[in-house]
Amino acid sequence: GENVEQHPSTLSVQEGDSAVIKCTYSDSASNYFPWYKQELGKRPQLIIDIRSNVGEKKDQRIAVTLNKTAKHFSLHITETQPEDSAVYFCAASTRNQFYFGTGTSLTVIP
Amino acid sequence: GAVVSQHPSWVICKSGTSVKIECRSLDFQATTMFWYRQFPKQSLMLMATSNEGSKATYEQGVEKDKFLINHASLTLSTLTVTSAHPEDSSFYICSARDGPTQETQYFGPGTRLLVL
Repeated sequence: GENVEQHPSTLSVQEGDSAVIKCTYSDSASNYFPWYKQELGKRPQLIIDIRSNVGEKKDQRIAVTLNKTAKHFSLHITETQPEDSAVYFCAASTRNQFYFGTGTSLTVIP
Repeated sequence: GAVVSQHPSWVICKSGTSVKIECRSLDFQATTMFWYRQFPKQSLMLMATSNEGSKATYEQGVEKDKFLINHASLTLSTLTVTSAHPEDSSFYICSARDGPTQETQYFGPGTRLLVL
């Protein structure tokens, strides 16, 4: 099955700096790559997604890039704010199932 | 947007009892729902895929007789943890897609299970 790896596991940045989280996947059939933000004790919330026919997508301070050849995709958050602090999960979708990365705990220091 | 609810949000039970968790899609019909398990500070682990009107598909290593899944209608899937033991204590989250060809999954708020 699919194997999704995510790095780093923890990330601390100063407010206003950028944060980058990277994921790799193994199944070349994966064609949908969402990113979720999960605050403590709450449900994951979709923040951005990208499909395999697109290389980059941006939504305000959040962007995602995809390299199908290398099988990796990344989340970029610019101008970070304290409320961006949470755990972020990447996922790769194959055969309509999601396989999640191990998560990145992001802390934005005011 | 699509809303998924779960009930109960928090349950404590004695070892050996069975616990049923409900997952509902409130404003859309979900032909497919997914059940995940999440341990503290860990990722979401897919347990099974639930299809309306048919048997659930379980991931490798998940005991189907331990975690009974029923998807009797287009808006309701249930997960029953049978003969629960302390090691079953976890955060259980369901998700649903708002259409058979839609990719986005919407998550329920989760159910925290504590087995004493």
